[in-house]
Amino acid sequence: EVQLVESGGGLVQPGRSLRLSCAASGFTFDDYAMHWVRQAPGKGLEWVSGISWNSGSIGYADSVKGRFTISRDNAKNSLYLQMNSLRAEDTALYYCAKGLRIFGYKDAFDIWGQGTMVTVSS
Amino acid sequence: AIQLTQSPSSLSASVGDRVTITCRASQGISSALAWYQQKPGKAPKLLIYDASSLESGVPSRFSGSGSGTDFTLTISSLQPEDFATYYCQQFNSYPRLTFGGGTKVEIK
Repeated sequence: EVQLVESGGGLVQPGRSLRLSCAASGFTFDDYAMHWVRQAPGKGLEWVSGISWNSGSIGYADSVKGRFTISRDNAKNSLYLQMNSLRAEDTALYYCAKGLRIFGYKDAFDIWGQGTMVTVSS
Repeated sequence: AIQLTQSPSSLSASVGDRVTITCRASQGISSALAWYQQKPGKAPKLLIYDASSLESGVPSRFSGSGSGTDFTLTISSLQPEDFATYYCQQFNSYPRLTFGGGTKVEIK
């Protein structure tokens, strides 16, 4: 079964850091681009960051650029999001998502995890 | 970044109705558009990719059309399980991708 499982969320004070992880199974992880998407409570979807299959292409939303770092470990079938200098507005459910096509560059997301909640509050 | 504007932001419809949701891009994105369905407390589900390709396992009552800046998602005959929020997403400007604001489909 194709599956993505996020972890690492929690309550954190403004200005602190948190590292999210996404464990992939059921598919050849290193063939696909991966992404982080977040959803603030009661709000819409916001793409956060994406990384190509070989980490050669990485992108960030303007709202997190310079504070968040995406990475992947293909040997461990894992995706990560290092979040620094967290703000109240980063409070959201964070999903990891898989690119649709093998070695896809411009692509939709066909598999999503269930998300991990990040709450930034003092 | 490319902006996506969905309309309407919400709609009320009855079972059996034909429903159309539109998504307009702030600049041309060819056919690099996807549609997702999200139900409360659940992760989004891919319905349509490349503007008009139906994802495997998605009922044929869902269809997508358009290219360039104007796109539509149509549900030909609304079913009870279709009441949800729908989002469009562009992937033309990879790796900086964007979602529309969402359209909530409610029961009339």
